[in-house]
Amino acid sequence: DQQVKQNSPSLSVQEGRISILNCDYTNSMFDYFLWYKKYPAEGPTFLISISSIKDKNEDGRFTVFLNKSAKHLSLHIVPSQPGDSAVYFCAASPDNYGQNFVFGPGTRLSVLP
Amino acid sequence: EPEVTQTPSHQVTQMGQEVILRCVPISNHLYFYWYRQILGQKVEFLVSFYNNEISEKSEIFDDQFSVERPDGSNFTLKIRSTKLEDSAMYFCASRLQGSNYGYTFGSGTRLTVV
Repeated sequence: DQQVKQNSPSLSVQEGRISILNCDYTNSMFDYFLWYKKYPAEGPTFLISISSIKDKNEDGRFTVFLNKSAKHLSLHIVPSQPGDSAVYFCAASPDNYGQNFVFGPGTRLSVLP
Repeated sequence: EPEVTQTPSHQVTQMGQEVILRCVPISNHLYFYWYRQILGQKVEFLVSFYNNEISEKSEIFDDQFSVERPDGSNFTLKIRSTKLEDSAMYFCASRLQGSNYGYTFGSGTRLTVV
């Protein structure tokens, strides 16, 4: 039962170009979404979040877009840098008040110099 | 910057033995979590803990597992009678209520059951 899907296990992008990572979810109760980045041998680190009252949130090079009717969100990184190479996890929760997040399987991004 | 600290970073144990994975969450956080990631698979929720009791647990978190916050700073995950399939990275996380930053994760403990 995959409530949060990231259908691309890997993505390669040239340095300086845009990286677009996609995430789909099935549970219409999800209202709060986060993206995490994970380097090998480290825990996931928070990148950016969005709640369902918005359709876009931007933080520097990172922008998350949410299409609630399509149950789809995406993370845009522009311009991509080699240091962005990591596994990116999408996570979703019914709220932002303590309920556990459900994680997607992750997408491995490789930014090529 | 405040961190979630996990020890040990790597634990090797024999099948059938008990292990305790330790975590020190961020001091003013109220919610505590354990997640695990089996090699090559996704991060899976195990249990959440709030107000000194389990608030939610997954199907994975059966009677083999228990959590404790023994002294107000540590948050431990005990696995009794470990099995080979318990081998995974175990991540502890904590958060403030209503935080826009979701969880803060620790670096994880790699558990290897042999």
